Amino acid sequence: KQEVTQIPAALSVPEGENLVLNCSFTDSAIYNLQWFRQDPGKGLTSLLLIQSSQREQTSGRLNASLDKSSGRSTLYIAASQPGDSATYLCAVRQGGGSYIPTFGRGTSLIVHP
Amino acid sequence: GAVVSQHPSWVICKSGTSVKIECRSLDFQATTMFWYRQFPKQSLMLMATSNEGSKATYEQGVEKDKFLINHASLTLSTLTVTSAHPEDSSFYICSAQRTGGSDTQYFGPGTRLTVL
Repeated sequence: KQEVTQIPAALSVPEGENLVLNCSFTDSAIYNLQWFRQDPGKGLTSLLLIQSSQREQTSGRLNASLDKSSGRSTLYIAASQPGDSATYLCAVRQGGGSYIPTFGRGTSLIVHP
Repeated sequence: GAVVSQHPSWVICKSGTSVKIECRSLDFQATTMFWYRQFPKQSLMLMATSNEGSKATYEQGVEKDKFLINHASLTLSTLTVTSAHPEDSSFYICSAQRTGGSDTQYFGPGTRLTVL
């Protein structure tokens, strides 16, 4: 059974810092990995989707990398802003025809001015 | 594009009553929709997969008679929590997968259910 772990569970940083959020998974036979953002009491917003054949994806100040063999992904946030404050969730979808994602518990990020 | 809505956004009900939550894909067709629940500071747990025109597939441990799912059209799935109890209080989130599109799931804003 796939297990997804996110470290750290919580992070508080001053504005402007570059951040790295970590996601690890136990079964490397994945189909894709997706990073989401969730604001308090809200649904999920997709940030980046990395297919198993890809190594990284970039969108604006966000960069996500994938090392399937070691079961790790990182989300890099450059020049953090208070508006980045949210919970970041990592979800892994298995290969072999299963489209059901397994979510980590998330990293709660606070960026203070 | 790819907007998913949920209604209501929050609901408070008495124990023993039934509550229906709607999930709609507003600008695309979704053959498959998913229902999740999320406890405070916990991850999302998949409850069931809803397929248009057929019975939902429930995850292990989820009571299908308690959580009724109907996916009558390509843009609407409903989750009915029957005979709700306080332990059913949670945040329910749906997602939709575009018919014939990529595997990306588009998530709704969630519904906060509180059972008194």
